[in-house]
Amino acid sequence: NAGVTQTPKFQVLKTGQSMTLQCAQDMNHEYMSWYRQDPGMGLRLIHYSVGAGITDQGEVPNGYNVSRSTTEDFPLRLLSAAPSQTSVYFCASSRSTSWYEQYFGPGTRLTVT
Amino acid sequence: AQSVTQLDSQVPVFEEAPVELRCNYSSSVSVYLFWYVQYPNQGLQLLLKYLSGSTLVESINGFEAEFNKSQTSFHLRKPSVHISDTAEYFCAVNSQGGSEKLVFGKGTKLTVNP
Repeated sequence: NAGVTQTPKFQVLKTGQSMTLQCAQDMNHEYMSWYRQDPGMGLRLIHYSVGAGITDQGEVPNGYNVSRSTTEDFPLRLLSAAPSQTSVYFCASSRSTSWYEQYFGPGTRLTVT
Repeated sequence: AQSVTQLDSQVPVFEEAPVELRCNYSSSVSVYLFWYVQYPNQGLQLLLKYLSGSTLVESINGFEAEFNKSQTSFHLRKPSVHISDTAEYFCAVNSQGGSEKLVFGKGTKLTVNP
């Protein structure tokens, strides 16, 4: 199994550009989530999904959209990039209930200039 | 709402010394508690977790954590650290009864020096 994969690994955007960060998992996990990691801030939840067709907002959803058309994929869209969105983004997946381990992808390092 | 406080942002220690990384949580309901580790330029991976039962939980690489309900703490300890333990450690909490939103602390960067 590949686990959780994320593409791209690195990305540089100009302010105002849009892009999609890809996330896929091959463990048939129902629950998927996106976090951003900033120095001294830990991980903050952006959006999450408890199954195909179901998404919800996390702690810091503004400026980001998600969709979940399949169990495997959970892309994160930046609508109009801003320098404040410079961060490392992690996708994670787990079985549906709250005591299960979350499996993290390797991350995407995004810089917005 | 749940919250997690990791009291130390950085902990430098010498190799073979003991270490304790502190974690306190706040929640109005019973919780599940986790420690995740992030090695440089990698994603997070689970180190250990407390779900129920024995309050002392152990990992395969010598770390242990003790759930203390009265002090709302879940401190991580290792009696003798190695250079390879250098990483960032995150404490996390999720409520029993399934909010399904794992809340992370801000992390503690452990640096083990020779």
